[in-house]
Amino acid sequence: AQRVTQPEKLLSVFKGAPVELKCNYSYSGSPELFWYVQYSRQRLQLLLRHISRESIKGFTADLNKGETSFHLKKPFAQEEDSAMYYCALLDTDKLIFGTGTRLQVFP
Amino acid sequence: GAGVSQSPSNKVTEKGKDVELRCDPISGHTALYWYRQRLGQGLEFLIYFQGNSAPDKSGLPSDRFSAERTGESVSTLTIQRTQQEDSAVYLCASTLHRATNEKLFFGSGTQLSVL
Repeated sequence: AQRVTQPEKLLSVFKGAPVELKCNYSYSGSPELFWYVQYSRQRLQLLLRHISRESIKGFTADLNKGETSFHLKKPFAQEEDSAMYYCALLDTDKLIFGTGTRLQVFP
Repeated sequence: GAGVSQSPSNKVTEKGKDVELRCDPISGHTALYWYRQRLGQGLEFLIYFQGNSAPDKSGLPSDRFSAERTGESVSTLTIQRTQQEDSAVYLCASTLHRATNEKLFFGSGTQLSVL
């Protein structure tokens, strides 16, 4: 079955530290993966998608088919990165979301 | 409107009552999704509408849940005989055509509390 796993509920780092939010998936095909973010009191919104190979707000994510992972990384965390992050997998026109990881960046 | 609009923002109901949740997608968006987010859990897919095609209802948890969409506009999610486990945030999202490589635009959700 198609599944997205985010093993960490909470990740706390200090400003300037590197960040890696883990995401693993299970999919019987060529996966299309996304990261969505929800800042405090804001709506859930797209952060980046793997097919675009883009860097948004300093975040990048590389698809590793061998490890079935799509971890989100940023070399130097900022306080404004504090938010809830969801990894999502496209399954026949619908997105399957993980349980999310809350990132807390302390000053 | 500028974004996906959901109403009400909060709904408190008694166990056994029926509730209706409304979603107004972005104008011109043909695809509309409903998700449920229970406390401490991820977003759970409920149902997907695409234009005039038959909806994908594969995520509806029971026959107490149903949804309708009028053309490519408003959608209503109905929960009959609500149970306490139905308490959650219900999120609606729309996209221009379908989720393939297009971002979903989410509403701010309806917080449903079943007492």
